[in-house]
Amino acid sequence: GAGVSQTPSNKVTEKGKYVELRCDPISGHTALYWYRQSLGQGPEFLIYFQGTGAADDSGLPNDRFFAVRPEGSVSTLKIQRTERGDSAVYLCASSLTGANNSPLHFGNGTRLTVT
Amino acid sequence: EDQVTQSPEALRLQEGESSSLNCSYTVSGLRGLFWYRQDPGKGPEFLFTLYSAGEEKEKERLKATLTKKESFLHITAPKPEDSATYLCAVRNTGGFKTIFGAGTRLFVKA
Repeated sequence: GAGVSQTPSNKVTEKGKYVELRCDPISGHTALYWYRQSLGQGPEFLIYFQGTGAADDSGLPNDRFFAVRPEGSVSTLKIQRTERGDSAVYLCASSLTGANNSPLHFGNGTRLTVT
Repeated sequence: EDQVTQSPEALRLQEGESSSLNCSYTVSGLRGLFWYRQDPGKGPEFLFTLYSAGEEKEKERLKATLTKKESFLHITAPKPEDSATYLCAVRNTGGFKTIFGAGTRLFVKA
């Protein structure tokens, strides 16, 4: 079956611009996560959705970052006034449910480069 | 604060040379410890979940074990296709986020 899909796979933007990154989770998965991964590091938690609501957004670095999941399926990560330090691979993952030990299923990420 | 530390950062093996990767963790209450494999340019791929000390899981040449403070990923007679970054992660009983270590980059030479 289809896995987690992320678009675009690569995004180059100028400092100060606004970007949106999209995630299509596995059908039927209620939990959705966003992570950020820098070179040589493990994924860093950003935000977790259970259904439509953000159950834990403690990993968002500042108020320039925002994510939505309006219908409980597709999610969009939005970054305003991008900075060069935002450059990283943004990973999306989904799991059957967040309430137990369902493993995370990751997409291949969006590589964001801020010039 | 939950924390995961993996060692070594990188490991170079000859084909057939068995070894182990270490994951040390501190967590307020362990709900699960996870191992993932990540290939360059790809997202992490789930390998194992371990729940309690003493538990072991196996898949092909990989075996994961768990104690109260550490987990080991044992690789028996590795092949070049086992070359990848192996990530360890924990989830605590109080929340939903999974915390990852920085990974061990494994290189297996034919």
